[in-house]
Amino acid sequence: KAGVTQTPRYLIKTRGQQVTLSCSPISGHRSVSWYQQTPGQGLQFLFEYFSETQRNKGNFPGRFSGRQFSNSRSEMNVSTLELGDSALYLCASSFPGQGARGYTFGSGTRLTVV
Amino acid sequence: KNQVEQSPQSLIILEGKNCTLQCNYTVSPFSNLRWYKQDTGRGPVSLTIMTFSENTKSNGRYTATLDADTKQSSLHITASQLSDSASYICVVSATTSGTYKYIFGTGTRLKVLA
Repeated sequence: KAGVTQTPRYLIKTRGQQVTLSCSPISGHRSVSWYQQTPGQGLQFLFEYFSETQRNKGNFPGRFSGRQFSNSRSEMNVSTLELGDSALYLCASSFPGQGARGYTFGSGTRLTVV
Repeated sequence: KNQVEQSPQSLIILEGKNCTLQCNYTVSPFSNLRWYKQDTGRGPVSLTIMTFSENTKSNGRYTATLDADTKQSSLHITASQLSDSASYICVVSATTSGTYKYIFGTGTRLKVLA
C-alpha cells in the first residue's frame, strides 16, 4: 500500500511569504502529526490532527497552523516566513489505537527561506 | 520534565564492525520506545518498538534493548554496512487517557567507512 505522501518535496520561499505543505496519510490512517526537523534542534512536534480536529499542539508560534480534511489529508501553513523556519517538515500518520505501532513518516518537505 | 537523551552525538566506524547507540529517557507515564533510522533528506523509518514488558527486539542486524528500571535503551548494530550510515533517533511515547505524546531524542549520526 502507498506510504505517507508529502508535497512538495522541496520549496524555496522569501521571508514574509506564507507557505502551505500537504500530507496524504496511509489509507485508513486517521491521525496525522507534523514535525519540524532542523540540524540544531532535531525533531520537534508541531501538532496532531485526528478526525479533522487538532488533538495535540507543540510549542510553536501561531504562525504555524494546520488542518485536516474529511479524507484525513492534512495541510500545514506557515505565515510570515522567517529565515529560521528553514527546515525539513515531516508528517506521520497512524491508525486509531495504534498511535505507537502504526506510526509512519513521510519523506518530508524541505523548506528553504531566503 | 520529559526528556530523551542520546549518545554519542556522532560515531564513525569501519564497515563490518559492531556498534551500540544509547538512549536514556525520563518520560512518564511510559508507553513504548521506538528506534528510527533516518537517511539524509528522508523521513525516519521505524526499526524496532518495545513496550514496558519487552527488553529486547531484533530487526535483522539491529537489536534494541530496553531496561525500564534504569530507563535506558540501546541499539546494537551488528556487522555494519555502508548503508547503515544514517541518523538513529530514539523516540519515547507517553500515553495519558488514550492520548499519545512523543518525545524525540536528537539522534546519533552514524558514519560507516569502507
